[in-house]
Amino acid sequence: AQTVTQSQPEMSVQEAETVTLSCTYDTSESDYYLFWYKQPPSRQMILVIRQEAYKQQNATENRFSVNFQKAAKSFSLKISDSQLGDAAMYFCAYRSPNTGNQFYFGTGTSLTVIP
Amino acid sequence: GAVVSQHPSWVICKSGTSVKIECRSLDFQATTMFWYRQFPKQSLMLMATSNEGSKATYEQGVEKDKFLINHASLTLSTLTVTSAHPEDSSFYICSARDRQGKNIQYFGAGTRLSVL
Repeated sequence: AQTVTQSQPEMSVQEAETVTLSCTYDTSESDYYLFWYKQPPSRQMILVIRQEAYKQQNATENRFSVNFQKAAKSFSLKISDSQLGDAAMYFCAYRSPNTGNQFYFGTGTSLTVIP
Repeated sequence: GAVVSQHPSWVICKSGTSVKIECRSLDFQATTMFWYRQFPKQSLMLMATSNEGSKATYEQGVEKDKFLINHASLTLSTLTVTSAHPEDSSFYICSARDRQGKNIQYFGAGTRLSVL
């Protein structure tokens, strides 16, 4: 089974600064999808950004961007101009089209934004 | 965006009773829905994959007789926790995949189950 590793249980960033959350994964597949989800205290999972493995270009969504290194199996999330509302638990997820499209989640990184 | 409704959001029950949790896709059809369990400050653990019109596929270690899943229509999947015990207390989250193959999964807001 695929494994997803988030090595930073907790991170903090000053408001308006930039922070990078790391994620690595292990797979033998060549075609897959990667995601970053945000889970605020409400517990609702919110999609932040997604990346298709066949695309070399890094995905960006406003202040959120990823650094996708397929050979290194790395998928980090960069949050620019951090805002107080960015404080949440962030989960990196891998989805395989070959195993019923189920998600494999990392253990999460708790992000604190300091005013 | 697509919405997945999960009901109830919080349920408290006595030990030994059964609890049903509903997961509905409100504006799209979902042939596949997923059920996750999340303990406090931990990640989401996939319990089972629910397929419309067929039996659910359970992950290793998940008791299928304990966690009954029914996916009777393209917009509704239910998870029934049978004979609940305090150790079943947890946060349960469902997600649904858009049938049109947009490769996006949408999550419900979750259900907090507290078994006394």
